[in-house]
Amino acid sequence: GAGVSQSPSNKVTEKGKDVELRCDPISGHTALYWYRQSLGQGLEFLIYFQGNSAPDKSGLPSDRFSAERTGGSVSTLTIQRTQQEDSAVYLCASSPHRGGGATDTQYFGPGTRLTVL
Amino acid sequence: KQEVTQIPAALSVPEGENLVLNCSFTDSAIYNLQWFRQDPGKGLTSLLLIQSSQREQTSGRLNASLDKSSGRSTLYIAASQPGDSATYLCAVSGTYKYIFGTGTRLKVLA
Repeated sequence: GAGVSQSPSNKVTEKGKDVELRCDPISGHTALYWYRQSLGQGLEFLIYFQGNSAPDKSGLPSDRFSAERTGGSVSTLTIQRTQQEDSAVYLCASSPHRGGGATDTQYFGPGTRLTVL
Repeated sequence: KQEVTQIPAALSVPEGENLVLNCSFTDSAIYNLQWFRQDPGKGLTSLLLIQSSQREQTSGRLNASLDKSSGRSTLYIAASQPGDSATYLCAVSGTYKYIFGTGTRLKVLA
């Protein structure tokens, strides 16, 4: 079946502009994660959605970052007034998350490479 | 705060060699540990997932071990091939959140 998809694959924007990144998780997966991977760094957790529960936004680096997940499926990560330090690869992952903790594997999309000039 | 460290940061080996990648974590209260592979410009592919109650998992030429008490995991790759060249990431989970190491960049020379 189809895996996790993300769009766009690459995004170049000017400093100060807003950007939207999209993630389509695997159908039926209730958990969705956003991560950021800066050059030479590990993956940094940004936000987590699980079903209809309130999302865990503890990883969002500033109030310029927000995310939503509509209908428990597609998610959009929005970065307002982009800064050069926002340049990174933004990865989305989904998981069946059948309960009892993070016992399920995460399936990652190919990522969106964001470059802020 | 959980911290995950991977050593070495980079590794270059000749084809056919057996090798070990190391991952250490500071908080032993984890649900599971997962090893991923990341190819340049691509997302992550899950290789092995070890539940906290398990000590190892095997898949083909890969074997991952977990020692929770010492906060360590190893990924053993047997008979390495050029196609194994990639960045290998380990990640540990709490209730649902994964904390990733910075990875080991592996190059297998033909």
